[in-house]
Amino acid sequence: EVQLVESEGGLVQPGGSLRVSCVASGFIFRTYWMTWIRQAPGKGLEWVANIKQDGSETYYEDSVKGRFTISRDNAKNSLYLQMNSLRPEDTAVYYCARLAYGDYVDYWGQGTLVTVSS
Amino acid sequence: EIVLTQSPDFQSVTPKEKVTITCRASQSIGSSLHWYQQKPDQSPKLLIKFASQSISGVPSRFSGSGSGTDFTLTINSPEAEDAATYYCHQTSSLRRTFGQGTKVEIK
Repeated sequence: EVQLVESEGGLVQPGGSLRVSCVASGFIFRTYWMTWIRQAPGKGLEWVANIKQDGSETYYEDSVKGRFTISRDNAKNSLYLQMNSLRPEDTAVYYCARLAYGDYVDYWGQGTLVTVSS
Repeated sequence: EIVLTQSPDFQSVTPKEKVTITCRASQSIGSSLHWYQQKPDQSPKLLIKFASQSISGVPSRFSGSGSGTDFTLTINSPEAEDAATYYCHQTSSLRRTFGQGTKVEIK
């Protein structure tokens, strides 16, 4: 069974940093592209970033480019999102998700809430 | 950026009616359009891939159609458990986007 389990998020002050992680199980992690998608409270879904199987390619949504870094450790079956220079508008539930062969999201984690507030 | 516009924003139907949600892309995306269902306090769930391809385990009352810029998600004879928000999502461009969502209520 495919499982994606995000770490706990938290409360961060504006301008601060936070790293969220996601541990994958039930599939061969190193053979899949992975992605982060977020959802602000009461709002819709927003794609954040993608990473290739070996980490050699990454892509970001414009509003997080230069502030967020997606990475992975295939030996640990783990996906990460390092978030720097956080802004109140980054407040959201962050979902770790798998990209199926064919490039669509087929499995989602349960999500972790990141709150940026003073 | 490819903008996806869903209509309507909200739909209320009885189980005898059909749910029809449209998703219009700001430029042609071929069939790179997928549909997700999200219930309150849950993660989204994949319903339809590549505009019209069914997903194992998803009830047959869910179907999708369209290509290019205009797409439709249909729920025939919806059940109470189908009350949720539905999102379309394009993977044609490297910068992925979602529609704003359509909330469906089953009376």
